[in-house]
Amino acid sequence: GAVVSQHPSRVICKSGTSVKIECRSLDFQATTMFWYRQFPKQSLMLMATSNEGSKATYEQGVEKDKFLINHASLTLSTLTVTSAHPEDSSFYICSASNRGATDTQYFGPGTRLTVL
Amino acid sequence: AQTVTQSQPEMSVQEAETVTLSCTYDTSENNYYLFWYKQPPSRQMILVIRQEAYKQQNATENRFSVNFQKAAKSFSLKISDSQLGDTAMYFCAFMKGGGGDDKIIFGKGTRLHILP
Repeated sequence: GAVVSQHPSRVICKSGTSVKIECRSLDFQATTMFWYRQFPKQSLMLMATSNEGSKATYEQGVEKDKFLINHASLTLSTLTVTSAHPEDSSFYICSASNRGATDTQYFGPGTRLTVL
Repeated sequence: AQTVTQSQPEMSVQEAETVTLSCTYDTSENNYYLFWYKQPPSRQMILVIRQEAYKQQNATENRFSVNFQKAAKSFSLKISDSQLGDTAMYFCAFMKGGGGDDKIIFGKGTRLHILP
């Protein structure tokens, strides 16, 4: 199957700083990427959907100014957590799909963010 | 709006036994996909099996099979000859049909323990 990578796998930062997480599709063009958040022992919660070259669509309750998403190319999407606070600590997972080519989404390995 | 319900938060079975995980969903869509994803301790989301709603035949992948009851909106996963490596969180998921760029809606998950 297709491979999606995330970088970094783990990040620890101080409160008030911004953190960028990258999601890359390694062997296919991802027209759409999705960003999820997962709290311990809970399910995945969709944060936003991003289509290449256009603004991301955020789910209700997700602050778009806090979680900045950029999908500037067909292989890369980034999630920037701005002015991070301890409550932003979580596991962030991205997935990617190629609209029209497949109906399958491929998931990255996730990024664990810890805000001190 | 679509919903996915997994009524078994946690299950344990002995190695080599067969186990069935339950899932029900609600939708007014006619064209959709159903998935079972596995999330082991590494937290990488792994697609276990996929079912297209228009297909009457139940999907099968080696030891994994589903019982898809469209009228009842039920989609259970059967794991035969369970192995220690099957220990993981299992998520049932729904996605509208149309190219893979629609969001996946996950159930809350079932934590499965395979006991030696």
